[in-house]
This record gives sequence, C-alpha cells and structure tokens, in this order.
Amino acid sequence: DQQVKQNSPSLSVQEGRISILNCDYTNSMFDYFLWYKKYPAEGPTFLISISSIKDKNEDGRFTVFLNKSAKHLSLHIVPSQPGDSAVYFCAATETGGGADGLTFGKGTHLIIQP
Amino acid sequence: DVKVTQSSRYLVKRTGEKVFLECVQDMDHENMFWYRQDPGLGLRLIYFSYDVKMKEKGDIPEGYSVSREKKERFSLILESASTNQTSMYLCASSTTAANYGYTFGSGTRLTVV
Repeated sequence: DQQVKQNSPSLSVQEGRISILNCDYTNSMFDYFLWYKKYPAEGPTFLISISSIKDKNEDGRFTVFLNKSAKHLSLHIVPSQPGDSAVYFCAATETGGGADGLTFGKGTHLIIQP
Repeated sequence: DVKVTQSSRYLVKRTGEKVFLECVQDMDHENMFWYRQDPGLGLRLIYFSYDVKMKEKGDIPEGYSVSREKKERFSLILESASTNQTSMYLCASSTTAANYGYTFGSGTRLTVV
C-alpha cells in the first residue's frame, strides 16, 4: 500500500513559468512533510519541509502548501529555472514515530524547457 | 562540511558474488538507512539501523543483510548478487532529535552481470 503518492511521473514546464508538483498521502498519522531534489548520479538533497501545524512554508522560489483535510501537498517553484530540472521526491513522517522515519513517493521528473 | 560517504560510485559484479556496499557518516547520527532507487519505483527502504549492532528490516530486505559495528559505518551486503539487484543504492543518516532530516550519500550504481 503506497502511503505517499506522486501521480505524475514527469512534468514539463517552460523556463520562467510556475512549476507545481503534487503529492498525496493516506496515513493520517503523518505530521511532517518534506521535498527532496535529486540530480542523476547524485543523492537526494533536502529542499523544503512543512509541519502539519502550518499550511504554507516559503523559502525563496520554493513554496510548499499543505491541505490536511485533503491529505495533499504541493510544491510551487516560481520562476522555474533550468537548474530546477531534476527528480523531486515527496516524503512524509510521523514525528516521534521512531527511526524508520521517512516514507517517500515515487518521484516526479521535472523538466524545465528553455 | 558534514557528509555521508559511500565507498564506490560505480560497481560491476557477477551473478552469485558477495557484494559489500559501505557507508560512512561523520555527523554522529544515530540512525542510518539503505535505500535502492529504481525508475518508476522511487526510493525503497531496504534496511535501517537506529543504534550500533541494531538493525531493522525495511520494505524490501530479501536478498540483503546489513552490519553496523560502529556508529559511523553501515554496510549493506548482497549475499549472492542477482541481476534484479542492479540498481542505484543510497545510504542516508539522521539524528533521532530531528529524524526527518536525512542526509544522503551520492549513491552507488551497482550493475550485476
């Protein structure tokens, strides 16, 4: 049973426009959510996170929105740049749930076109 | 600069070989993890450890074992490599105080022929 779902395997966006990556979760115990970015042949790197006590967190060009009632979060990138082309993983955890930490989605490959 | 170091970036092994993937972290993190990444399947947890000599099975432990003799080192062992274990292997670590803050290594691309 997939607890974190990224239903779009890939997304193509024109440079300068907004990229919106979506993520859904099924486990109501999840209370902390993260986005990781991964380039080919490199490990994932942390991008941005949000606690369930918030509905929005912003860091520069990146904003994450959380809709708890819908069990849905999204990552907005504005404006999109060529260096944003990567695979983005959504992850979730139940804080205090022990060492087995993060549950990842399957990832969305974002392609920024010039 | 804190980091998680995986000993090899690329490995090619033969079917049936015993394979060791090594991971070392210098952040004094309690928790360490091994994932594999495959196209369309995302990151799948193989094994994790929350303390020295402790290990827990993840979602796909079959065909793998692990060893954690020292806090900074977490080894993944493929007892008898098979072609379906060809994958990108990623090691990560975290501290219990902020368990969600994973730091990943650069990955090992393993090809079993």
